[in-house]
Amino acid sequence: DTGVSQDPRHKITKRGQNVTFRCDPISEHNRLYWYRQTLGQGPEFLTYFQNEAQLEKSRLLSDRFSAERPKGSFSTLEIQRTEQGDSAMYLCASTQYRQRTDTQYFGPGTRLTVL
Amino acid sequence: AQKVTQAQTEISVVEKEDVTLDCVYETRDTTYYLFWYKQPPSGELVFLIRRNSFDEQNEISGRYSWNFQKSTSSFNFTITASQVVDSAVYFCALSERGDQAGTALIFGKGTTLSVSS
Repeated sequence: DTGVSQDPRHKITKRGQNVTFRCDPISEHNRLYWYRQTLGQGPEFLTYFQNEAQLEKSRLLSDRFSAERPKGSFSTLEIQRTEQGDSAMYLCASTQYRQRTDTQYFGPGTRLTVL
Repeated sequence: AQKVTQAQTEISVVEKEDVTLDCVYETRDTTYYLFWYKQPPSGELVFLIRRNSFDEQNEISGRYSWNFQKSTSSFNFTITASQVVDSAVYFCALSERGDQAGTALIFGKGTTLSVSS
């Protein structure tokens, strides 16, 4: 199995611009998670999908954030009208969810810098 | 509410020393999972171990060992004979398994381990 992949690895943008990140989970993993990690902190949950359904969203996910997983495979995370506070590492994780088992495997992350 | 506390912000050791990373958690659930992840300078979180709340058997895997104690809500991680390649940020994480199974991981703030030669 190839691991979780994310694209791009780095993104520099100007405040007010829109950005979109992509995550490709491990093949056949049915759950996909997005996290945000700021400097010196642990990752914080944003949202997750089971197949194509978005089942949970964190209060951190403001109206400017939207995530999709249209065919239950890859996912995209879009941030509209970026702000400097959006600068962070955006991590994607996937898992093959079975009852009472849920180890999440992470991708390399997309580091966003908003100027 | 769920909470994970890693009181040690940074630890510096010399190669071949043993080092223990502390993790204390809070949860109201009786069924939960605990995890350790390693984040090297490259940035990718690497899964190390998962433990469920009904299995307090401690484990040794090579140079790594874990000590899970429900009585003190602790899940500590020890590296024996540390190596330079162990230098990374280590995160402890918690996931509850109640009716809403599949909830997110709650991470601590991490402990930065620096191993010098």
